[in-house]
Amino acid sequence: AQKVTQAQTEISVVEKEDVTLDCVYETRDTTYYLFWYKQPPSGELVFLIRRNSFDEQNEISGRYSWNFQKSTSSFNFTITASQVVDSAVYFCALSLLNGGQFYFGTGTSLTVIP
Amino acid sequence: GAVVSQHPSRVICKSGTSVKIECRSLDFQATTMFWYRQFPKQSLMLMATSNEGSKATYEQGVEKDKFLINHASLTLSTLTVTSAHPEDSSFYICSALQWGADNSPLHFGNGTRLTVT
Repeated sequence: AQKVTQAQTEISVVEKEDVTLDCVYETRDTTYYLFWYKQPPSGELVFLIRRNSFDEQNEISGRYSWNFQKSTSSFNFTITASQVVDSAVYFCALSLLNGGQFYFGTGTSLTVIP
Repeated sequence: GAVVSQHPSRVICKSGTSVKIECRSLDFQATTMFWYRQFPKQSLMLMATSNEGSKATYEQGVEKDKFLINHASLTLSTLTVTSAHPEDSSFYICSALQWGADNSPLHFGNGTRLTVT
């Protein structure tokens, strides 16, 4: 069975601080995809990144960076120099290659205080 | 990029009535669509998988007679909440599946906020 755990329910940081959102996943499949999505207060889901299980290279996109470590089954997300607009709920998700079904974590609500 | 349109974005209905939510893939054909439900401050809960031309597959605990799903074409899936009750009030999100390079294979609608009075 697949499972995604986001242990941090809510995080508050002051603007310009760095913040890391944790994601731990469980699967017995060797081929899978990991994702991060952002859900602002308006409700729509915004795709941030997709990673496949064979690519452990870390990725940086502007102020966002992702650390994928298969050894610890983690796919953590760091926002550098946070901004108020980063305030949202962030979901980590896992998908297997064949089904398309996504397994979402419970989400981390991030509040950036000006 | 692939776009999914979900309509309506908000609906208020009276208890006992039925509500239909539409999910359309605008620029691609979607054999598979998913319907999620999200309670306040909670995660997305998969309700059912909708496959074009066949019956939907419901997750455990989801009443298929209450949440009717129809996927009659490759661009349209509908979710009908029948005989709605206040406990059905929630945020419903659809998504359409399309695998491609370096993007999200799940293309989400903007959600429908249902309030049953």
